[in-house]
Amino acid sequence: TQLLEQSPQFLSIQEGENLTVYCNSSSVFSSLQWYRQEPGEGPVLLVTVVTGGEVKKLKRLTFQFGDARKDSSLHITAAQPGDTGLYLCAQTQGAQKLVFGQGTRLTINP
Amino acid sequence: DTAVSQTPKYLVTQMGNDKSIKCEQNLGHDTMYWYKQDSKKFLKIMFSYNNKELIINETVPNRFSPKSPDKAHLNLHINSLELGDSAVYFCASARSWRGETQYFGPGTRLLVL
Repeated sequence: TQLLEQSPQFLSIQEGENLTVYCNSSSVFSSLQWYRQEPGEGPVLLVTVVTGGEVKKLKRLTFQFGDARKDSSLHITAAQPGDTGLYLCAQTQGAQKLVFGQGTRLTINP
Repeated sequence: DTAVSQTPKYLVTQMGNDKSIKCEQNLGHDTMYWYKQDSKKFLKIMFSYNNKELIINETVPNRFSPKSPDKAHLNLHINSLELGDSAVYFCASARSWRGETQYFGPGTRLLVL
């Protein structure tokens, strides 16, 4: 089973700052998904990246897929308290199941 | 309208008891899942059903028995609950089993005392 490593595990910053979180694997991803989970809720899909080098933007969030498809990053510009949550990367294995990283717990302080 | 719903939201019970949690989706999806999220927030798949048939069973103790009476419902029955079963259990659904976007329910928080 391919393992996904996310870093950092915890991140606490002030409102207005920028941040980047990472998802890495020793093997090649066929595709990668990023989810956000807010306290007391289930994960919600933010984006799927498929092509090496791909960049996708979702308002202040920028997702990048590494050229070799072994890593991905999520950059948030001008973070807001509403961005607080657990950010999970996940990979589909065997076309049937999602395997998740351990997540980055992000706290944005007003 | 809630797409994926779970009941109960909270469940506190004694060790050794048997309990069930229920999941329903109104998205018309064919595939449903049960995940377990531990205290460190690690989310791991337990089971998957496609059109009422079990397609994934991930090394889960046989005290856990999923049941899908129809493709809109997936229930999870747990026998002889243990302390280590305490976790948040999430149900999810997808249009098909082929790597489609999964939609998660709000979770059931199980605490075994």
